[in-house]
Amino acid sequence: GQNIDQPTEMTATEGAIVQINCTYQTSGFNGLFWYQQHAGEAPTFLSYNVLDGLEEKGRFSSFLSRSKGYSYLLLKELQMKDSASYLCAAASGGSYIPTFGRGTSLIVHP
Amino acid sequence: DTGVSQDPRHKITKRGQNVTFRCDPISEHNRLYWYRQTLGQGPEFLTYFQNEAQLEKSRLLSDRFSAERPKGSFSTLEIQRTEQGDSAMYLCASSLSGHEQYFGPGTRLTVT
Repeated sequence: GQNIDQPTEMTATEGAIVQINCTYQTSGFNGLFWYQQHAGEAPTFLSYNVLDGLEEKGRFSSFLSRSKGYSYLLLKELQMKDSASYLCAAASGGSYIPTFGRGTSLIVHP
Repeated sequence: DTGVSQDPRHKITKRGQNVTFRCDPISEHNRLYWYRQTLGQGPEFLTYFQNEAQLEKSRLLSDRFSAERPKGSFSTLEIQRTEQGDSAMYLCASSLSGHEQYFGPGTRLTVT
């Protein structure tokens, strides 16, 4: 079956760096997504990794290790607007059907 | 605004009634996905279309749920004989490659 595990909640200080971890088990793995979701809004795409390594996109970076079934999302120079839920999802098959984790609620405080 | 629209945004219905939701994807996107999300959970996959063909359907989806994408553009999701457990946010997403999915604002269903 499919299983995605990520912490329920994290807190961090404005201006700091935070790393949100995700472990996954999925058959037919075809990439790892990260989405941001503010309360009451739809998810917004952040990143997609299919090869091992780190991909950087502005203040956000995403890392994947396929052999370990592990990914993380790194957020730098945290801003108050980064307070949101961060969803990890593992895609399977050619349809890229994602299995989502429950999300990590990140609270950024001054 | 991602360019994906959903209608209605909110729906309140009584148990046992049928409801239909509509999704208009980004025009050049051939892939369309439906999800359901409840509070404190991530989105749960329901079904997937490539153009007008329904290629994947979650095993968790009961036969009260049906979806169509008749001309490979907009899609509808119908729930028959609604139950209180169907109360959730129903999300639609579209994609060109599958790598990056753009979500609509969702339809919040409340079954009383």
